[in-house]
Amino acid sequence: AQSVTQPDIHITVSEGASLELRCNYSYGATPYLFWYVQSPGQGLQLLLKYFSGDTLVQGIKGFEAEFKRSQSSFNLRKPSVHWSDAAEYFCAVGSGNTGKLIFGQGTTLQVKP
Amino acid sequence: DTEVTQTPKHLVMGMTNKKSLKCEQHMGHRAMYWYKQKAKKPPELMFVYSYEKLSINESVPSRFSPECPNSSLLNLHLHALQPEDSALYLCASSQGSVGYTFGSGTRLTVV
Repeated sequence: AQSVTQPDIHITVSEGASLELRCNYSYGATPYLFWYVQSPGQGLQLLLKYFSGDTLVQGIKGFEAEFKRSQSSFNLRKPSVHWSDAAEYFCAVGSGNTGKLIFGQGTTLQVKP
Repeated sequence: DTEVTQTPKHLVMGMTNKKSLKCEQHMGHRAMYWYKQKAKKPPELMFVYSYEKLSINESVPSRFSPECPNSSLLNLHLHALQPEDSALYLCASSQGSVGYTFGSGTRLTVV
């Protein structure tokens, strides 16, 4: 069965520090992978996605993610975090047949001044 | 137009009320979705419409009734809801898994 695991429920980093949010997936075929960000009371904003090709994907707001098939991972990174990055981050895998997205449990990012 | 528009943004309803949530997109996407999200939890799929036909119902109670009048519109009719149905209801559209776009949601409170 398809699944997504985000091992870190809550992460706190200092402003200006680097960030890595972990995501592991279980999927039988080549996955469609996504990272979304959600601010309190808001909808989901797509940060980046991976379908095929270059395994290092660039997204909005200075985020990038690397697809590693051997590790079944799709970790999100940012070299220097801003206070406005504090939010909930969701990793998701898409089913190509149904379009259904399966989400991880999310990681709450807190940014210290 | 690259947006999914949901109305209303906020809704408070009594347990005996009937209300509807609306979702609209003009991106030509042929799949549309309803997700439910409780606080501090990931979105959970409720329904999938593909080419205006219901293709997935994730065992949602019948007090939630989806409707897809045309390829741009998706409604969710609500009747006799319970307080535990209070949540953020998200609509999304996609062309397969490509170009998946979420609306900003309707915050529903059942009193």
